[in-house]
Amino acid sequence: QQQVKQSPQSLIVQKGGIPIINCAYENTAFDYFPWYQQFPGKGPALLIAIRPDVSEKKEGRFTISFNKSAKQFSLHIMDSQPGDSATYFCAASKGDYKLSFGAGTTVTVRA
Amino acid sequence: DAGVIQSPRHEVTEMGQEVTLRCKPISGHNSLFWYRQTMMRGLELLIYFNNNVPIDDSGMPEDRFSAKMPNASFSTLKIQPSEPRDSAVYFCASSLGERTGYGYTFGSGTRLTVV
Repeated sequence: QQQVKQSPQSLIVQKGGIPIINCAYENTAFDYFPWYQQFPGKGPALLIAIRPDVSEKKEGRFTISFNKSAKQFSLHIMDSQPGDSATYFCAASKGDYKLSFGAGTTVTVRA
Repeated sequence: DAGVIQSPRHEVTEMGQEVTLRCKPISGHNSLFWYRQTMMRGLELLIYFNNNVPIDDSGMPEDRFSAKMPNASFSTLKIQPSEPRDSAVYFCASSLGERTGYGYTFGSGTRLTVV
């Protein structure tokens, strides 16, 4: 049973477009929401993370939006580049050692 | 730092054989995780060590799986006997602390194929 539901499963955008990945959770005890980026043949790598007391966080071209009341959060990739083509995982944690990962979204950015 | 190092990168074995996957965490990291990744089940936590001690092995599928961490710089995941349904990518990850806020650093994984 996935505690974090992620959508869409895959998406394709043109260079410069803004892919948006959405995640939803039910457990209100979750208090840490990271995003991981995975390239083929590599392990996931921490990209950006947010805590529920913040509604938005930006790091470079990556932005997380967080809606605590709706129990949803999303990743936007601004001015996407072909090098951003990867699988993105959202995750959630209650602040202990355990991360619950979403199913992943494969993003393809066409040149 | 070389990051989390896993070996082998690929392993093909016959059903019934023993398989041992190896991991060297980042020096100074005191938390180590073994994950399994499949298309059907995504990323699943198998076992978590803190300061070389297994803390949570509730994700280990069955008795055929075992994991050890004899010291701070080495861990193994063993499957005996292996079965085709064990085919997956196995990741080792390490972290500076026992809370997820420190962030995990994953290795590049071992792709296991059991035929």
